[in-house]
Amino acid sequence: NAGVMQNPRHLVRRRGQEARLRCSPMKGHSHVYWYRQLPEEGLKFMVYLQKENIIDESGMPKERFSAEFPKEGPSILRIQQVVRGDSAAYFCASSLNLPSSYEQYFGPGTRLTVT
Amino acid sequence: DQQVKQNSPSLSVQEGRISILNCDYTNSMFDYFLWYKKYPAEGPTFLISISSIKDKNEDGRFTVFLNKSAKHLSLHIVPSQPGDSAVYFCAASAGSGGGADGLTFGKGTHLIIQP
Repeated sequence: NAGVMQNPRHLVRRRGQEARLRCSPMKGHSHVYWYRQLPEEGLKFMVYLQKENIIDESGMPKERFSAEFPKEGPSILRIQQVVRGDSAAYFCASSLNLPSSYEQYFGPGTRLTVT
Repeated sequence: DQQVKQNSPSLSVQEGRISILNCDYTNSMFDYFLWYKKYPAEGPTFLISISSIKDKNEDGRFTVFLNKSAKHLSLHIVPSQPGDSAVYFCAASAGSGGGADGLTFGKGTHLIIQP
């Protein structure tokens, strides 16, 4: 009965490197969401995906950030050429593929530190 | 422009008493509201939710009240227990399309239960 899984839990990158964050949704869930939390802030929505489709990326920065949810395998949030301002906790959530299923279940997060 | 506001950064309550956490929203398109609890270094845990067609939802020690005209909701925890000490986030959804979209979060209220 695994919940949402994220790895790695902690990731340290130098400025200019790439960061790849992985998320496996709960069993049976086909909706995946990514959120970012800066210190002392609430979670900010970034992107919503279903299998092989980006449904809403209105919260995603226009440059350097991308996300995918392939037919097989986990969802990936990719940050290219990281900068110090990308340091944050990144959370993935999943939900059921049912109408009015608004509850999203969160993973433990990946804490990205850019040095 | 914060669409979901939690105006109390922290709240201290004695064990056994009632904890009341408040949340205000500005976007009249929101039609579903959720409360999450978060411990340090963990992901948010879903607690309870309420649809805009209701004004109250109860689950064990947790009750959420919704006042649509005032655009205000509150979470009541009775009786408060030491394990309830955590950060509580209010979140809202506009429920576009099939009902699943990115959540808009408040900044959270740190609840401290004192023995």
